[in-house]
Amino acid sequence: DQQVKQNSPSLSVQEGRISILNCDYTNSMFDYFLWYKKYPAEGPTFLISISSIKDKNEDGRFTVFLNKSAKHLSLHIVPSQPGDSAVYFCAASAGQGGSEKLVFGKGTKLTVNP
Amino acid sequence: DAGVTQSPTHLIKTRGQHVTLRCSPISGHKSVSWYQQVLGQGPQFIFQYYEKEERGRGNFPDRFSARQFPNYSSELNVNALLLGDSALYLCASSLVPGINQPQHFGDGTRLSIL
Repeated sequence: DQQVKQNSPSLSVQEGRISILNCDYTNSMFDYFLWYKKYPAEGPTFLISISSIKDKNEDGRFTVFLNKSAKHLSLHIVPSQPGDSAVYFCAASAGQGGSEKLVFGKGTKLTVNP
Repeated sequence: DAGVTQSPTHLIKTRGQHVTLRCSPISGHKSVSWYQQVLGQGPQFIFQYYEKEERGRGNFPDRFSARQFPNYSSELNVNALLLGDSALYLCASSLVPGINQPQHFGDGTRLSIL
């Protein structure tokens, strides 16, 4: 029973173009969503987050969109750069009783070609 | 500023042995969580600790245990190791639980069971 799904295992884009990574969730109790980037041999690095009271959050080249009715969020990277090549994880938490349990998707490997 | 630090970085054990993994959170962070990441999957929540108390537990057997010390560092212990315990073990820290905030991860301990 996977509560957070990233249905695209991989994505390849050209440098300078937009990268769109998608994530779907099933648990309506999730109220906080995060994106992490992971390089090989390193831990996940926090990129951007969004609370369920918002539908968009922007930080530089990264924008996260949340569609609560569709239980869907997406990460937009524009313009994409070769250094963005990594595995991107979508994560969600329900904040129940102060628990910070994060539920992760399986990740999408992004390759940005020069 | 130092991020989350984990030790050791790599570890090789045999079936039936036990292992202790260590984590030091970011200075000022009081909440520590542990995750297991197997190849091809996203990180899976094991435990969360805050003020030395367990605040959350994932779906892992009792062979897994953890504790948090007065300086907020933490240990994860795994007894009676199985081949399936081979994974990357990640520690994450945050300021306090109960508010929407990102968790910051260390680079993990790569545990291999022979």
